[in-house]
Amino acid sequence: EDKVVQSPLSLVVHEGDTVTLNCSYEVTNFRSLLWYKQEKKAPTFLFMLTSSGIEKKSGRLSSILDKKELSSILNITATQTGDSAVYLCAVLMDSNYQLIWGAGTKLIIKP
Amino acid sequence: NAGVTQTPKFRVLKTGQSMTLLCAQDMNHEYMYWYRQDPGMGLRLIHYSVGEGTTAKGEVPDGYNVSRLKKQNFLLGLESAAPSQTSVYFCASTRDSNQPQHFGDGTRLSIL
Repeated sequence: EDKVVQSPLSLVVHEGDTVTLNCSYEVTNFRSLLWYKQEKKAPTFLFMLTSSGIEKKSGRLSSILDKKELSSILNITATQTGDSAVYLCAVLMDSNYQLIWGAGTKLIIKP
Repeated sequence: NAGVTQTPKFRVLKTGQSMTLLCAQDMNHEYMYWYRQDPGMGLRLIHYSVGEGTTAKGEVPDGYNVSRLKKQNFLLGLESAAPSQTSVYFCASTRDSNQPQHFGDGTRLSIL
């Protein structure tokens, strides 16, 4: 069965800390891995990763894919209260048009 | 640019009632999706469409029907609502299957 597992399920840190969120996957036909941020409403796209070892970066957020370990990490440095959200990881299957989603990591940043 | 718009935003139904959720996108996207999101379970695909006039089943299609009569609209129907269908429903669209999906703000549906 195809699955995506995120860890931790929840995380509470103080403003200014650095956090690392994990996503591991077991799928039959991997095409790419995506990270989304979900605050109160719609998930918003962060990164799409297709090649192993190449870091994608946007401001204080960065992400990297390790195809050998079937995993990805999302790093957030110098966290701010606005980073509080649920971070979702999804894997795009090569065999169909579907994304397999993890349950998400709920990140809370305390001032 | 409105992106993906879902209506209604909230709805309460009684068991056995029917209703239709509307998703509209103004980005000329070919692919559209309906998901449900339940606590601790992530997003699960209900139905999807790869173009006008086409629909296909996702992971959890039972109890739902869909239609894509116009490219910009994707409708999700509940024929006879059940309490197990209480959830937040998200619509998403994308230009092609290799691109990130864009999401609407969701519809919170409660079945009593």
